[in-house]
Formats: sequence, C-alpha cells, structure tokens
Amino acid sequence: KNQVEQSPQSLIILEGKNCTLQCNYTVSPFSNLRWYKQDTGRGPVSLTIMTFSENTKSNGRYTATLDADTKQSSLHITASQLSDSASYICVVSAMDTGRRALTFGSGTRLQVQP
Amino acid sequence: DTEVTQTPKHLVMGMTNKKSLKCEQHMGHRAMYWYKQKAKKPPELMFVYSYEKLSINESVPSRFSPECPNSSLLNLHLHALQPEDSALYLCASSQEEGVDYGYTFGSGTRLTVV
Repeated sequence: KNQVEQSPQSLIILEGKNCTLQCNYTVSPFSNLRWYKQDTGRGPVSLTIMTFSENTKSNGRYTATLDADTKQSSLHITASQLSDSASYICVVSAMDTGRRALTFGSGTRLQVQP
Repeated sequence: DTEVTQTPKHLVMGMTNKKSLKCEQHMGHRAMYWYKQKAKKPPELMFVYSYEKLSINESVPSRFSPECPNSSLLNLHLHALQPEDSALYLCASSQEEGVDYGYTFGSGTRLTVV
C-alpha cells in the first residue's frame, strides 16, 4: 500500500530560526514529490515539485531535498517568518497508474512564534 | 489567470437543505477535482472530471452530486447531508488528468452541516 509519513506532526519554532520537515514514502513506482503549504482553512499551495533525478530544489527560503534511494524528502525553511505558520504537506505521485495516484501525507503543522 | 476560484468560502446548511458549491478556472485545464478535507487530515479525493466527463467517483454517497457544465466550471450539488459531512471542500485543476501535471488548488469552501 502506498503511504507517505511526515514528521514531526507539529513543530513550534521562534521567528528567525531554521527548521527541517521530513517525509518518508513507500509509493511505487515513484513519479514525483511535491511539498505544499496550507494555511488553516485554505487550499494547499505548491512550494516545490521534484522528480526522480532531482536532489535539491529551492523556492526562496524553502529548500526541498529528495533521496530516491532511501525514499526520503525534507523541506528546510530558512530564517522563518510568522507567515510561515501553516501545515506543510508532502504529496507523492505514482508513475503509471494515472488514476488514484496521489498519496498525501498527514502534514506537519508549523507554528512560528515571535 | 492562474487561480482556481471557489464559492462560497463558507456555507452553513441544514440536513434538509439543497445547496451547491462552485469552482471556476480559466487556465485551460481539462481535468478538475473535488477533494474533502477534515480537520488535521490530508485531502481525500471525491471526484475527477476529465474533458467535462466524470472520470472517477471514489464511492462517494449520492447526496453529493458533481456536475461539469463546461471546461471552466465544476459544481458540487449537496442534498440531505449529515453533520459528519462538515469539512473543507477543495477544488483543484490540472492541465490533464494524470500524475505528472501540477495541481492548482482553490481556497476551499468551509461547509458546516447543522
């Protein structure tokens, strides 16, 4: 069964600090991995998308890494801001099923405090 | 226009009411999706439309009735809902149905059934 596990479930950090969120997956065959940011009561917004051949991708203060061998990804947030408070969801896609192929993680709820 | 617009943002309805959720995109995407998200849980796929035809129904109860009047619009008709149907309903679209296309999510409709 395809699964995506995220850790930690929740995280509190002080403004200006860095943090790293983890995503482990068992989805196979792998197609791509996306990180989304979801503010409370809003829809997910895409941060990065990574394919099998990509190890690192950055989007401003967000840097995602992917190790396809160990089936792990991380999202590093640099110099956190209060507006970074949100849930961060890892979504992994299977390669050839075409349908029913997105597997969502349960997310990490990040709270940035002043 | 790179957005998916959902209306209304909030909806409170009684169990005997009939209401509709609306979703609109003008990106020329030919696949549109309805997701249901409970608090602190990942989104769950409900329906997929591809080229205005229902492609996937994830065994959703008949009190939820989707409709795709044209390639830009997606509706979700609600009737005789239960309190446990209260959730955030997300609409998404992608260029085509398939896992290698990025998904754009709307901001969601927060539905409360009383």
